[in-house]
This record gives sequence, structure tokens and C-alpha cells, in this order.
Amino acid sequence: EVQLVESGGGVVQPGGSLRLSCVASGFSLGNSAMHWVRQSPGKGLEWVSLISDDGSRTFYADSVRGRFTISRDNTKDSLFLQMNSLKTEDTALYYCQAMSGTGLNYFDLWGQGTLVTVSP
Amino acid sequence: SYDLTQPPSVSVSPGQTARITCSGDTLPKKFAYWYQQKSGQAPVLVIFEDNKRPSGIPERFSGSSSGTMATLTISGAQVEDEAHYYCYSTDNSDNQWVFGGGTRLTVL
Repeated sequence: EVQLVESGGGVVQPGGSLRLSCVASGFSLGNSAMHWVRQSPGKGLEWVSLISDDGSRTFYADSVRGRFTISRDNTKDSLFLQMNSLKTEDTALYYCQAMSGTGLNYFDLWGQGTLVTVSP
Repeated sequence: SYDLTQPPSVSVSPGQTARITCSGDTLPKKFAYWYQQKSGQAPVLVIFEDNKRPSGIPERFSGSSSGTMATLTISGAQVEDEAHYYCYSTDNSDNQWVFGGGTRLTVL
């Protein structure tokens, strides 16, 4: 089965750190650009970060730049998000998303998310 | 930062056509993608590259884009189409992605 599975979420105090992981199965992660997207409780979707298929380029939303670091290990079909200096407003369900190709070859896949709660 | 603007809500009766718009300055040059999200579920892609429908998505879902506005059309909306819908696109650099604020579609 083709799927993405996130893990690493949990409860952390403000200023703390967490490392999220996303593992692909049923396909090779190395063929896809990968995104992290989050959704705060009762709110809309927010794009967080993007990494190119080979990991050479990374990009961040203004709200997390300088605090979050996206990385990947294509040999292990894995994506990561290192989150430092966490704030209460980072509380959200974090999804990983794979995107690749165009037209008939377009590929888009989301995981089910991992919950991050930042609370005193 | 770059923004995409959607109406907060759209309401139609079953069988009617629902249209959800998304406005953004780079949409004349950049593709729009549309996601459906039902309560407690991950988003599902319903339209990509402005007007293409992934396999498994019903034909009643279609997309179009003209100028600074992209539109998701659901022709003959069904009760099961009730969900939040989000447009998704990039800025001119293709390096900053953004979601619209989301539109809650009610079919009743």
C-alpha cells in the first residue's frame, strides 16, 4: 500500500523541541518534493516547509523560518522536521505531503498527521 | 507574504452547482490545486494544475482559472460533498506555497 506515516508528535513546553518523522511505504520518497503542512485546532491548512527531491533546497514559511529545519534521508524513504523554540501557536496537526510530476504523472499523497501540542 | 482569498462559506441545495473561488495575484502564472477536507480526515486532492482531476474523483468536480481567479465547480453537488475546500498555490518563485483560508461547503 502506498502511504506516508508521520510520527514524533507530543506535548512539549514553550521553548522546547520536537523532531517529526514521516516514512514512506509502497513508493520511493526520493522521486518527490516533500512538504510539511499543519492545521491548528479548528483552523485552516497552513504550509510550513518544502524540501526538493534531492534535499538540496529547503524553504520555509515566515512563521517558522529560523526555528524549524526540514531534512530528508532518501535511503530510508524518510522526511524530518526539527522544531526548536516552539511556541504555543505551533500547536497543530502536522501532515507530510509528497508532490511530484505533472499531468498524467502527477502524484500527491498525504499522511494522516501527527499532533504537536505546545503548552506550559 | 503571498495570500489566496476564498469565501468563508458556500451553500447550495442537492443537485445544484456549487462554485468556490480563489483569488491570488500569481494565479495568472501559477497553477491552482484544490483539496477537500472532511471532518477529522486528511485533505484529499480533487483538482490539480488548475483543471485536472485525479483518478477516483467524480466527474462532477471541475476546475478553471482565469486571470487572478481560480474556480472549483461541483456540478450537481451531493450531500457527501459537504466539506471544507482549500485552494493551494505558490508565489512567483515556486518556493513559498500558500493555502487559501478555506471554504465550508454546505449541501442541504
